[in-house]
Amino acid sequence: EDQVTQSPEALRLQEGESSSLNCSYTVSGLRGLFWYRQDPGKGPEFLFTLYSAGEEKEKERLKATLTKKESFLHITAPKPEDSATYLCAVQAHAGGGADGLTFGKGTHLIIQP
Amino acid sequence: KAGVTQTPRYLIKTRGQQVTLSCSPISGHRSVSWYQQTPGQGLQFLFEYFSETQRNKGNFPGRFSGRQFSNSRSEMNVSTLELGDSALYLCASSPDPGKNSPLHFGNGTRLTVT
Repeated sequence: EDQVTQSPEALRLQEGESSSLNCSYTVSGLRGLFWYRQDPGKGPEFLFTLYSAGEEKEKERLKATLTKKESFLHITAPKPEDSATYLCAVQAHAGGGADGLTFGKGTHLIIQP
Repeated sequence: KAGVTQTPRYLIKTRGQQVTLSCSPISGHRSVSWYQQTPGQGLQFLFEYFSETQRNKGNFPGRFSGRQFSNSRSEMNVSTLELGDSALYLCASSPDPGKNSPLHFGNGTRLTVT
C-alpha cells in the first residue's frame, strides 16, 4: 500500500527565515511526486511534479527536491503570503494499485511578519 | 481559461438522504477525479473518470458513485448519507490520464451531514 508521511505537521517561521518541509514516501513504482499548496477554503493548487531521484524544480522562493525515499520542499526567505498548507502526493505506475494520488496530511506553514 | 468549477459550494443534508455534487472540468480536460478531504484522513481518492468510463476507484463503499457525461462534466452521488460523510469533496481535472499531467482542483463542495 502506498504511503506518504509529511513532517512537521505544523511550522511557524519568521518572515525571511528559511526552512524545509519533508515528505517521506513508500510506493510500488513511483510514477510522479507532486507538491500542492492549499489555502483555507480553497482546493489544492499545483506547484511541482518530480519524476526521478536527483530531480529539482524551483519556483520563486520554493525549491522541490527528490530522492528515492523522500522529497523536500525548501522555502527560502519566506513571506507572509507563503502561509498555507503544503501537500505532498505520489502516484504509482499503472498496476500498482488505484491510479489516484496518495496524499500526505500536509504541513501547515505560518509565516509571521 | 476558467478553472475547475464545483457546485454547490455548501450543502447541508440529513442522515439517510442522498446528495449529488457537480463538477465542470477545465476546457479541454477529459479526465475527472474526485477526492474526499477530512481533517482526520486528509485527501483520499474516490474515483476517476475518462471518456465517460470509470478508470479507477478508491476504497470507498458502494454508496459513493459517479458518472461522466460526453462533455466531460462529472457528477458524484452519495446515497444513504452517514455523519462520517461530512467532508470537503474535491474534483480535479487533467488533460489525459495516460500522461503525467498534474491534477487541477476546484474549490470543493463542503458537505455537512446532520
